[in-house]
Amino acid sequence: DAGITQSPRHKVTETGTPVTLRCHQTENHRYMYWYRQDPGHGLRLIHYSYGVKDTDKGEVSDGYSVSRSKTEDFLLTLESATSSQTSVYFCAISAGTGELGYGYTFGSGTRLTVV
Amino acid sequence: GQSLEQPSEVTAVEGAIVQINCTYQTSGFYGLSWYQQHDGGAPTFLSYNALDGLEETGRFSSFLSRSDSYGYLLLQELQMKDSASYFCAVRDLKSNSGYALNFGKGTSLLVTP
Repeated sequence: DAGITQSPRHKVTETGTPVTLRCHQTENHRYMYWYRQDPGHGLRLIHYSYGVKDTDKGEVSDGYSVSRSKTEDFLLTLESATSSQTSVYFCAISAGTGELGYGYTFGSGTRLTVV
Repeated sequence: GQSLEQPSEVTAVEGAIVQINCTYQTSGFYGLSWYQQHDGGAPTFLSYNALDGLEETGRFSSFLSRSDSYGYLLLQELQMKDSASYFCAVRDLKSNSGYALNFGKGTSLLVTP
């Protein structure tokens, strides 16, 4: 009923392995975002999408790639996981970019641990 | 570039009023948003100010002064359930990621009995 789901909710992976996190929405929103949250840093933008196959980098995009082949799915891939990528990852969606005060709806998050 | 500054922690008593300030620096500005996040939970949208002045939504109000690059979130009649982190966020029209919000580091509010 939330309209946005993230999977998996928790994952432990080894250094050097690729990892893909999935964000799925049922709201048909155009905009989707990936953030990471670390203590003392708040929410930092990794990548975002403003339409199918339209993506761009955020402030902490190194080591991450994204894909959006369908409106409803936005995938985040850690190409070769490192311990510095241990974090909580949040996906968010919005109907607009803010001109009318469109708030973001966040998923429940994925807690990723790289060992 | 841009930056947002907000206090890291605030403590207040149940039933009181608390104000959480946010100052921002952007090369292009389009609105100030506020989000709430409880421990272990996801951020949730609280309010948005595009124009100067006060917006009220129940016990929560948000204020913006564009000339001062400043805003605040005002929480009245504090309840224990208001203990959470509060984030201000702005969208910088002139940044490379201009479609997306940039968040402050958050203010942890502790409401005590």
